Amino acid sequence: QKEVEQDPGPLSVPEGAIVSLNCTYSNSAFQYFMWYRQYSRKGPELLMYTYSSGNKEDGRFTAQVDKSSKYISLFIRDSQPSDSATYLCAISGGATNKLIFGTGTLLAVQP
Amino acid sequence: ETGVTQTPRHLVMGMTNKKSLKCEQHLGHNAMYWYKQSAKKPLELMFVYNFKEQTENNSVPSRFSPECPNSSHLFLHLHTLQPEDSALYLCASSPGPGDNQPQHFGDGTRLSIL
Repeated sequence: QKEVEQDPGPLSVPEGAIVSLNCTYSNSAFQYFMWYRQYSRKGPELLMYTYSSGNKEDGRFTAQVDKSSKYISLFIRDSQPSDSATYLCAISGGATNKLIFGTGTLLAVQP
Repeated sequence: ETGVTQTPRHLVMGMTNKKSLKCEQHLGHNAMYWYKQSAKKPLELMFVYNFKEQTENNSVPSRFSPECPNSSHLFLHLHTLQPEDSALYLCASSPGPGDNQPQHFGDGTRLSIL
């Protein structure tokens, strides 16, 4: 079983839609959860950073962590064509200080 | 200049060539990382440096040789690479080595091996 699972997509939505991106993980010791956004021909950019369970909101973006289900989500409200990118989840904690990345979900927001 | 800067942005080399990738961070961070990103695969951690000392080598073949002369600069020396080494090579930095430290990435070097 992979440590972090993420649906690669692609996910195509119309402008203005609510987008839900998800990852599952296997190690209950993980406690730091991040979302990165990667535009084509660019490096990953840190979007959201959360510790332990709960929600964190930043503008149109909400990160949600459910440690009991080992499930993390990123919600994008009022999606825009400029949100079109690959979204990577990254998780760390426990016995290792490494970041474990998902494969990334390719999102396309259609105008 | 701010953030993490990588040069060159693109590199095409033959299997017998020797080249180097360069990374520079202007964030005052103490930890630096090399990652390999291939299509449809998660980022693969290659090397970790904390305060100029290598603390992680993730079973990387010896044809990749890292160098960290100071906390702001990181190099990846390449020699006799294989076609499967074609990928995007990303450099990242973080304030320290702990697992609660988010990493900040450069835009990568797109490497193509002929």
